[in-house]
Amino acid sequence: KQEVTQIPAALSVPEGENLVLNCSFTDSAIYNLQWFRQDPGKGLTSLLLIQSSQREQTSGRLNASLDKSSGRSTLYIAASQPGDSATYLCAVIGDSSYKLIFGSGTRLLVRP
Amino acid sequence: SQTIHQWPATLVQPVGSPLSLECTVEGTSNPNLYWYRQAAGRGLQLLFYSVGIGQISSEVPQNLSASRPQDRQFILSSKKLLLSDSGFYLCAWSAMPYGPKLYGYTFGSGTRLTVV
Repeated sequence: KQEVTQIPAALSVPEGENLVLNCSFTDSAIYNLQWFRQDPGKGLTSLLLIQSSQREQTSGRLNASLDKSSGRSTLYIAASQPGDSATYLCAVIGDSSYKLIFGSGTRLLVRP
Repeated sequence: SQTIHQWPATLVQPVGSPLSLECTVEGTSNPNLYWYRQAAGRGLQLLFYSVGIGQISSEVPQNLSASRPQDRQFILSSKKLLLSDSGFYLCAWSAMPYGPKLYGYTFGSGTRLTVV
């Protein structure tokens, strides 16, 4: 059974700092991995999707990497801003189904 | 472009009352549709998914049911709500046949359900 873990559970950093969020999964047989952002009381906004054949994806100040063989992904946020404060969720789609399995998220606070 | 709509945004219901949450997708056909629940302080749990009209798969045996009466409409229901049904309910879609693999999922804005 696929399990997704995110570390740390919460993170507080000063504005301008570069930071890394970690995601690990137990079954390396995945189609892709998707990073989401969730603001309090809101739905999920897709940030980046990495297919299993890819190593990384970039969007603006965000860079996500994938090491499928080791079951790990990282989300790198450059020059963090208070507007980046949110919960970040990673999720994987396994080869055996189209179900999206989520980690429990990292709650990020960027202090002005 | 494709859009997903969920309503209502918030709902407060007494224990034992019925429930109907609706989700619709525009701008695509034959999408895969999903209902997730996010309980307070917990992760996202897949409740139901549907690969076509009338085709519903349940992930967790519980007090809820789902239906797909039209291609782009997904409904989450309950005959009698329990306190434990409180949570944030999210609908999601993915294009078929290659959507989950190539494009991932798109989520709606969610419904906050409080059972009192």
